[in-house]
Amino acid sequence: EAGVAQSPRYKIIEKRQSVAFWCNPISGHATLYWYQQILGQGPKLLIQFQNNGVVDDSQLPKDRFSAERLKGVDSTLKIQPAKLEDSAVYLCASSAERTGLLGYTFGSGTRLTVV
Amino acid sequence: DQQVKQNSPSLSVQEGRISILNCDYTNSMFDYFLWYKKYPAEGPTFLISISSIKDKNEDGRFTVFLNKSAKHLSLHIVPSQPGDSAVYFCAASAAGNMLTFGGGTRLMVKP
Repeated sequence: EAGVAQSPRYKIIEKRQSVAFWCNPISGHATLYWYQQILGQGPKLLIQFQNNGVVDDSQLPKDRFSAERLKGVDSTLKIQPAKLEDSAVYLCASSAERTGLLGYTFGSGTRLTVV
Repeated sequence: DQQVKQNSPSLSVQEGRISILNCDYTNSMFDYFLWYKKYPAEGPTFLISISSIKDKNEDGRFTVFLNKSAKHLSLHIVPSQPGDSAVYFCAASAAGNMLTFGGGTRLMVKP
């Protein structure tokens, strides 16, 4: 079974620029999550999708962050415009209903540096 | 408002000895707890979990203990091996919903 794929692995941008991250979950996983992990902290949930619908986006800074999962499969997370404090690793995870939390699988993440 | 806390940012242990990683939580609605292990440049991987109806779960060298009255859980690794060196995250869930993570503890096992 292929894992959760994320790209790019690394990205360096200047503040006020835009950036987009891509995630392809494990095949058949209905639930997809985006987490932000700032250095020295634990992952913090940004948004949760169930198929192509948003379940929870209460911690997503909607003035600059957006995410979509148009066909209920892969997803993109966008930041526009980026701020210095957005420097972090952005982790995508997916899970299947039948496995629930035990099937929560993370991708390797995208490390964003805003300069 | 940190609902899950790991108060020790790092821990150093000699190979063969016991590693004990601690985690505290504040939300009494949490009913499922998990430990994840993270190597550099990789995503967190699931290690072991425990339901709130239990107070202990064991899997090989890894044991998780849950003290609900103290809202505290711990992960014991016996014996510790150099390959266990990683960042360990405690996570909690309420009613099967999304995971809330602690800040992580970096474990270093010295040969």
